[in-house]
Amino acid sequence: EVQLVQSGVEMKKPGESLRISCRGSGYSFSGQWIGWVRQMPGKGLELMGIIYPGDSDARYNPSFRGQVTFSVDKAINSAFLQWSSLKSSDTAMYFCARQGLSWDDAFDVWGQGTMVIVSS
Amino acid sequence: SSEVTQDPAVSVALGQTVRITCQGGRLRTSFPNWYRQKPGQAPVLLISGENHRPSGIPGRFSGSRSRNTALLTITGVRADDEADYYCHFRDNDNSHLGVFGSGTRVAVL
Repeated sequence: EVQLVQSGVEMKKPGESLRISCRGSGYSFSGQWIGWVRQMPGKGLELMGIIYPGDSDARYNPSFRGQVTFSVDKAINSAFLQWSSLKSSDTAMYFCARQGLSWDDAFDVWGQGTMVIVSS
Repeated sequence: SSEVTQDPAVSVALGQTVRITCQGGRLRTSFPNWYRQKPGQAPVLLISGENHRPSGIPGRFSGSRSRNTALLTITGVRADDEADYYCHFRDNDNSHLGVFGSGTRVAVL
């Protein structure tokens, strides 16, 4: 079964750092882009960017460039989303999703989401 | 705010047909993907590209396009179709980036 499994709920204070994970299984992890999607409370989906596990090529949508960092560890089939200094406005659900192989770049498999709560 | 806009909410009677619209400049060059997100769950891909349904998605869901408007049509609406629906476009520059629409909440009466 193809699946993405994300790390659990995180509660952090402003200014702290954080790395959340997304582990793929059931397919060749290195060969398909992984996207990160933010959903703030009560709001819609926002594509933060994508990373290609095969060569760690990371691409960010403009609103998120410089705010977060994507990385991968191919040895453990995992992608990571990292903050160096969290803000309360980072409070959101974060999904990872696999991008399919067809031209439309659809996200065909999704993780269950990681809730990040940033509060003093 | 998203450059791809959707009606915020639409309601439909059980068993009827609902059409969810998606508008934006990207429609000039591509077909959107469509996702459903039920409360407390991750999104699920319903339609990709030019009306392709992944395995397990019933034929009640279909996608189409007319000029600057893309449509997700759901026929024979069921109670469990009550959810948020998002369109999603890939960028045209082969970057694999893209944008989600603002989302439409469907209420089943």
